[in-house]
Amino acid sequence: QSVLTQPPSASGTPGQRVTISCSGSSSNIGSNYVFWYQQLPGTAPKLLIYRNNQRPSGVPDRFSGSKSGTSASLAISGLRSEDEGDYYCATWDDSLSGRVFGGGTKLTVL
Amino acid sequence: EVQLVESGGGLVQPGGSLRLSCAASGFSFSIYSMNWVRQAPGKGLEWVSYISSSSGTIYYADSVKGRFTISRDNAKNSLYLQMNSLRDEDTAVYYCARDGAGGNWFDPWGQGTLVTVSS
Repeated sequence: QSVLTQPPSASGTPGQRVTISCSGSSSNIGSNYVFWYQQLPGTAPKLLIYRNNQRPSGVPDRFSGSKSGTSASLAISGLRSEDEGDYYCATWDDSLSGRVFGGGTKLTVL
Repeated sequence: EVQLVESGGGLVQPGGSLRLSCAASGFSFSIYSMNWVRQAPGKGLEWVSYISSSSGTIYYADSVKGRFTISRDNAKNSLYLQMNSLRDEDTAVYYCARDGAGGNWFDPWGQGTLVTVSS
């Protein structure tokens, strides 16, 4: 069971906007930055969002992150077929003194 | 180009040992903290261990504490993970990942190396 809670699945049609939630507690999301990773089928994970809402160079502005209290979310607008894959939130947990991940959300583009 | 290449994975019996390596290139390895992250077949990501740039600070996940040892050789631009007393549940793809500049995110990641613990 993961420290951070994500929905196991999400879906949308091309062009739609989808959001993926990530719920934690005061010892993790509530007091630390949130990061998001994208893992396309058969590949290694890739950084998508850092420091709650910052995009690394090369990540399209269709991807955006936000955080409020002990929850965070990833929004993908203008959904494309190549966005299909798994998405993970992550942060530092002060109580565990370690990095923690959400269980991952499988995004399907219908 | 920043690159991380893992090696050393394979099949090992329960109770056995294995040493993973991660060769870094394309950046100043000695100034970055590094991590190991694993992914069991069909499962999510699990952070395993962290080592600071000078090896002065090390953290482990509770699931591997006392069995795994992280280390690095800055002269060889290499990161290591010594895994002892391996269990079935340690079966996973092991990724090495660099810490972000100025923060504890993972970027980039290596391609991973598969460790299978089975009799």
